[in-house]
Amino acid sequence: QVQLVESGGGVVQPGGSLRLSCAASGFTFSSYGMHWVRQAPGKGLEWVAFIRYDGSNKYYADSVKGRFTISRDNSKNTLYLQMNSLRAEDTAVYYCAKDLRLGELSLFLDYWGQGTLVTVSS
Amino acid sequence: SSELTQDPAVSVALGQTVRITCQGDSLRSYYASWYQQKPGQAPVLVIYGKNNRPSGIPDRFSGSSSGNTASLTITGAQAEDEADYYCNSRDSSGNHLKGVFGGGTKLTVL
Repeated sequence: QVQLVESGGGVVQPGGSLRLSCAASGFTFSSYGMHWVRQAPGKGLEWVAFIRYDGSNKYYADSVKGRFTISRDNSKNTLYLQMNSLRAEDTAVYYCAKDLRLGELSLFLDYWGQGTLVTVSS
Repeated sequence: SSELTQDPAVSVALGQTVRITCQGDSLRSYYASWYQQKPGQAPVLVIYGKNNRPSGIPDRFSGSSSGNTASLTITGAQAEDEADYYCNSRDSSGNHLKGVFGGGTKLTVL
């Protein structure tokens, strides 16, 4: 069965950096695009970033563009999110999610991890 | 606008039918997907595309779209359907390669 397991969350000071990981199993990771989605405490979902199956294209929400970098290692079945210049408003649970469509972007997210909490606070 | 707009809260009597709507410019060109989220849990995809249900989603969940509005209908709502529901589609502000979520609708089953 498909499993997505996030790690790397924690408490970081404003201006700091953090790298999240998402370990994937149960499907051909190298054939599907992947997303990061976040949810601030008590708030709704916010789409953060997408990376194409082969890493050739990456798209970002305006709120994180220039500060966050999505990447993947298909040999390790792992997705990453490098977060720099963190702000208080980046505090959220970060979910990785699999795109439903083989190869291309559909924005239909058919499997989600359980999330990892990032807290930006001094 | 790149936004998707949902009613913050909707209620339905047990066994009755409820429709949750999502409005946005991008819905004129792209289908939405719908997610159910219960407290402390990750979201679950319930409807995507024109009206497709992933394996394991009950057939009381259905989707439709008209103009700039996408709808999620639950026919014969059950107590376990009480949850937050989010729509998702593409950004309509110029870059259709970005995603956007609606603000969510809290469904209460009475």
